[in-house]
Amino acid sequence: ETGVTQTPRHLVMGMTNKKSLKCEQHLGHNAMYWYKQSAKKPLELMFVYSLEERVENNSVPSRFSPECPNSSHLFLHLHTLQPEDSALYLCASSQDGLAGNDEQYFGPGTRLTVT
Amino acid sequence: EDQVTQSPEALRLQEGESSSLNCSYTVSGLRGLFWYRQDPGKGPEFLFTLYSAGEEKEKERLKATLTKKESFLHITAPKPEDSATYLCAVQLMEYGNKLVFGAGTILRVKS
Repeated sequence: ETGVTQTPRHLVMGMTNKKSLKCEQHLGHNAMYWYKQSAKKPLELMFVYSLEERVENNSVPSRFSPECPNSSHLFLHLHTLQPEDSALYLCASSQDGLAGNDEQYFGPGTRLTVT
Repeated sequence: EDQVTQSPEALRLQEGESSSLNCSYTVSGLRGLFWYRQDPGKGPEFLFTLYSAGEEKEKERLKATLTKKESFLHITAPKPEDSATYLCAVQLMEYGNKLVFGAGTILRVKS
């Protein structure tokens, strides 16, 4: 257990559905991240939040919408996804955001399949 | 363009057969280099951080080293439980805590 939890662990959704991924960290960290991991591709950073403020949006399509209501919770709202969005979505947290250089701790991920 | 390349893509070892994984990087300014281990169906698990050329860190059968252009993860006398995907990531000087990951090396250790 890394102190970062994600729900659901598996999600199958149609292209017209709306769903949300949830991440919670119990480490007292100030920064949270969303990553996408596709088969045989490097992890891709999607969003960074530092002290609940979005500080990085890595050219992610608008069908992905993040929300960070407080420093312990992070959501990724999904709508009208495409089959190529099927991947493992990982949440991570670290003590500091862009000002820091500390390690990031990852959750177990949500395996998303878009049909 | 900032780039991180890991080799080999996959490595099969016999139990006890030592070897090394490579992570080479081409970046504008390195702030730190991270090694992670990822088991199937799980998120990456932090192993090491290296900040300057010549630095070494060890943990059980693993030792990570860093030069100005690459990092090695040495595995001494591996056991089957060391089987996993090993990920390398670089932290860039101008982007704070943003990590750029390599594609990983899949390690299989057979008994």
